[in-house]
Amino acid sequence: DGGITQSPKYLFRKEGQNVTLSCEQNLNHDAMYWYRQDPGQGLRLIYYSQIVNDFQKGDIAEGYSVSREKKESFPLTVTSAQKNPTAFYLCASSPVQANEKLFFGSGTQLSVL
Amino acid sequence: SQQGEEDPQALSIQEGENATMNCSYKTSINNLQWYRQNSGRGLVHLILIRSNEREKHSGRLRVTLDTSKKSSSLLITASRAADTASYFCATEGWDSGYALNFGKGTSLLVTP
Repeated sequence: DGGITQSPKYLFRKEGQNVTLSCEQNLNHDAMYWYRQDPGQGLRLIYYSQIVNDFQKGDIAEGYSVSREKKESFPLTVTSAQKNPTAFYLCASSPVQANEKLFFGSGTQLSVL
Repeated sequence: SQQGEEDPQALSIQEGENATMNCSYKTSINNLQWYRQNSGRGLVHLILIRSNEREKHSGRLRVTLDTSKKSSSLLITASRAADTASYFCATEGWDSGYALNFGKGTSLLVTP
């Protein structure tokens, strides 16, 4: 099946710990995105990448880091600098640029222990 | 930066009724998209309407776009319990590589 796979579905972080959320796509899409969703809220853009080995900060990049070493993969690291990391994290991809249709993964719920 | 803003925040209707939700945005757009999210899941693309289009249909969905008022509406006809979900409008962000900006969504509850 073609699509976007996010793992794990649930993740717990201890204080001071960095955690990495995985996002893999087999749609051959160039662009990939990370969004954060808080309860009852819309999606806020964390980072995006339009091509391998290149990525840009979104609206709320502080406390997060990403890499794009392969076209298929766009992992997100939530660092200890992110003081309020509890949220639902969504990864998405699009063929060229996102003003066309976005394809989303099923999300990762991150909680702080 | 969130550009789209949906209205109402929540909507409760009975099966068979129509559901209308609205979206307002601030800057000029190339297109506007609507997405659906079931609880605890990712978003699913429903429909895209381009700035030169005024109305678009897809099954039981009807989307309108009024660029002069910077607004769009999503109509779901003959609602079903399975339509219960949150609905988001999205527009491209000119300052973020055209990554989509999403509103806070309308939470739709359809009761049998």
